[in-house]
Amino acid sequence: EVELLESGGGLVQPGGSLRLSCAASGFTFSSFAMNWVRQAPGKGLAWVTALTGAGNRAYYTDSVKGRFTISRDNSKNTLYLQMNSLTADDTAVYYCAKGRGSGTYYVDVWGEGTTVTVSS
Amino acid sequence: DIQMTQSPSSLSASVGDRVTITCRASQGISKYLAWYQQKPGKAPVLLMYDAFNLQSGVPSRFSGSGSGTDFTLTINSLQPDDVATYYCQNYYIAPFTFGPGTKVDI
Repeated sequence: EVELLESGGGLVQPGGSLRLSCAASGFTFSSFAMNWVRQAPGKGLAWVTALTGAGNRAYYTDSVKGRFTISRDNSKNTLYLQMNSLTADDTAVYYCAKGRGSGTYYVDVWGEGTTVTVSS
Repeated sequence: DIQMTQSPSSLSASVGDRVTITCRASQGISKYLAWYQQKPGKAPVLLMYDAFNLQSGVPSRFSGSGSGTDFTLTINSLQPDDVATYYCQNYYIAPFTFGPGTKVDI
């Protein structure tokens, strides 16, 4: 069974940093692109970033460029999201999301999400 | 960047009704559109990909159509279990934007 388990969420002060992790199982991790998608309280889905299966090309939404970094360790079947210079606008549930293929970015499997709250 | 819009933003229909949701891209995205269903407090679920391909396990009352800039998701014979918010997503070119969502009630 394909599973994605996020961790690392929590409360952080504005300007702070946080690293999210996503442990994947049940599929050949390195063969699939991975995404992070977030959802602010009461709002819709917002795509944040994606990374190819090989980890050699990343894409970001404009609002996180230069602050967030997506990475993966295919030997550990784990996806990461390093988030720096956090603001209140980054408060959201962050979903780890598996792409359909190595370079295919629509999501066929979602994690349950981890909550990030940016507040003083 | 490609902007995605959806209409209506919400709708209420009766059990057994046919429901249609529209998604529009600000520029052509060929067939590269996905639809998701999200129930309150839950992660989204993939319904359709490549505009009209039904994801395995999704009931056949769901169907999709369109290409280029205009797409539709149709629910034939709405069921109580279909109460949810529906999102479209462009995956033709990054950023892989979602539409704002359509909330469906009974």
